[in-house]
Amino acid sequence: EAQVTQNPRYLITVTGKKLTVTCSQNMNHEYMSWYRQDPGLGLRQIYYSMNVEVTDKGDVPEGYKVSRKEKRNFPLILESPSPNQTSLYFCASSLFDSMNTEAFFGQGTRLTVV
Amino acid sequence: GENVEQHPSTLSVQEGDSAVIKCTYSDSASNYFPWYKQELGKRPQLIIDIRSNVGEKKDQRIAVTLNKTAKHFSLHITETQPEDSAVYFCAAKGGANNLFFGTGTRLTVIP
Repeated sequence: EAQVTQNPRYLITVTGKKLTVTCSQNMNHEYMSWYRQDPGLGLRQIYYSMNVEVTDKGDVPEGYKVSRKEKRNFPLILESPSPNQTSLYFCASSLFDSMNTEAFFGQGTRLTVV
Repeated sequence: GENVEQHPSTLSVQEGDSAVIKCTYSDSASNYFPWYKQELGKRPQLIIDIRSNVGEKKDQRIAVTLNKTAKHFSLHITETQPEDSAVYFCAAKGGANNLFFGTGTRLTVIP
């Protein structure tokens, strides 16, 4: 089954404690991205990757890191989480095609930083 | 970069009535405009999309229109049903493959 898998689904952590949210897709998609969803603000892009070892900042990259060592995986790293990073996070993947293609979303990760 | 605005933020309709959600975009290079539906506690899922070389597209009870000159596109849902209740996001995609989302519309269909 074609899917994007995120882990964990829920996470409560303390300020400053490094954490990683994993994202994996099995559709051989070149393009992967991370979004955060906050009430009234919609989905805002954090980072994206057009292929292995190619990553770039989205609209709200501050406080986040990513890596793309393999095509299928695109982890989101919070080196020193802060309460303003409490949010719902979605990973998405798609073929790299500007005229086309559906973005497939993971199940989401609800992060709370206290 | 691209800026997508979406209105209204909330919309309540009686079952069987129509619902319309409108979006505008700023980047004339954007050429792909999908609409996503997000049910409560679920991930966004594509319901319909339109490309810049098409003015209108319909799929059963949902349709999308695009006015490239005005940089405006809309989602139309006819004969609404309670299961249409969800948050709907419009988006625009340009040459860099990045999707820029609107802020969402919470649609409530009242039985």
